[in-house]
Amino acid sequence: AQTVTQSQPEMSVQEAETVTLSCTYDTSESDYYLFWYKQPPSRQMILVIRQEAYKQQNATENRFSVNFQKAAKSFSLKISDSQLGDAAMYFCAYNTDKLIFGTGTRLQVFP
Amino acid sequence: GAGVSQTPSNKVTEKGKYVELRCDPISGHTALYWYRQSLGQGPEFLIYFQGTGAADDSGLPNDRFFAVRPEGSVSTLKIQRTERGDSAVYLCASSPQTGRGMNTEAFFGQGTRLTVV
Repeated sequence: AQTVTQSQPEMSVQEAETVTLSCTYDTSESDYYLFWYKQPPSRQMILVIRQEAYKQQNATENRFSVNFQKAAKSFSLKISDSQLGDAAMYFCAYNTDKLIFGTGTRLQVFP
Repeated sequence: GAGVSQTPSNKVTEKGKYVELRCDPISGHTALYWYRQSLGQGPEFLIYFQGTGAADDSGLPNDRFFAVRPEGSVSTLKIQRTERGDSAVYLCASSPQTGRGMNTEAFFGQGTRLTVV
């Protein structure tokens, strides 16, 4: 069975600095998709970035980028130039025919 | 509406009562998912529909939980004989497609917070 592990329950970063959130997963599949979702206090999950496993190039969306290490089954999220609005829960998710989520990392951003 | 709508936003019910949670997906989305999120946890898969049929209900915790999507659009999650342990946020999501290698975004509603007292 596929599993997703986020080992950092909480992280903090100062505004304008860079922070990296960790995620590892376990699967026997060779082709799949990985996602990072953000969940603010409003509870609505918002897609931050996605990565296709067959692509070696790391995905980038503005200030958000990933470090995808397929052999190590690692999928970390880097947030550059952190902003106060980035404060939220962040969930890593693995796709089969449904999303499987990790337990999340709470990110705090200090001015 | 433009997004996934879930009603009610909050629901308080007494132990043993029956509740229904509603999800209005984005128009045209064939896939619909229900997740349960307990405090401090990630969303836990319950069931997903492809059209009107339940393609995978392996996440439903027991036979007190049931979900329907009779016309392939709106879905209702039904919980019988509620227990205090059912208290959680129930999230609904929809997607234009499903199946292995799903690469399209799943759009989530804001969830229903269920509290069983």
